[in-house]
Amino acid sequence: GENVEQHPSTLSVQEGDSAVIKCTYSDSASNYFPWYKQELGKGPQLIIDIRSNVGEKKDQRIAVTLNKTAKHFSLHITETQPEDSAVYFCAASKGYSTLTFGKGTMLLVSP
Amino acid sequence: DTAVSQTPKYLVTQMGNDKSIKCEQNLGHDTMYWYKQDSKKFLKIMFSYNNKELIINETVPNRFSPKSPDKAHLNLHINSLELGDSAVYFCASSPGRSGPGTGELFFGEGSRLTVL
Repeated sequence: GENVEQHPSTLSVQEGDSAVIKCTYSDSASNYFPWYKQELGKGPQLIIDIRSNVGEKKDQRIAVTLNKTAKHFSLHITETQPEDSAVYFCAASKGYSTLTFGKGTMLLVSP
Repeated sequence: DTAVSQTPKYLVTQMGNDKSIKCEQNLGHDTMYWYKQDSKKFLKIMFSYNNKELIINETVPNRFSPKSPDKAHLNLHINSLELGDSAVYFCASSPGRSGPGTGELFFGEGSRLTVL
């Protein structure tokens, strides 16, 4: 089955800095890669996703890049703010198979 | 209005007891899920139902039994609770089966189960 590795497990940045979280996946047939943000005491919430026919997608301060050859994808957050502090999960799936989540990255943004 | 609501939010119980967690979604979605999040935040799929029909059953002990009376509800019953069952259980729904073109997963706020 699919295996998704996510790094780093924790990331501390200063407000205004950029943050990058990286994921690798094992199944070359995977074609859907969402990112979820989980705030304390809440359920995960989709923030951005990318499909395998696209190399990059941007939405305001967040962007996701996908390298199918290397089987890795990354989340980029620019101009970080304290409210970006949360746990971020990458995930991968193919067709209608269930999503496989990475183990999460705790992002701490200090004012 | 809460899109995916689950109750109770907190559950503390003794080993060996039986407990249930209820989930309801008002999004009109066809597919519902139960995920387990352990103390290290790892999210793992347990079950998935599409229009009341079980479509995913990961390697979960038989003590866990999901029930979907209709496509808006998916309840989780756990028999003979063990210490290792302590976790946060998330209910989720999606317009279709998870994957490209079928839309995002909408999660509830979680039910924290503590087994003593």
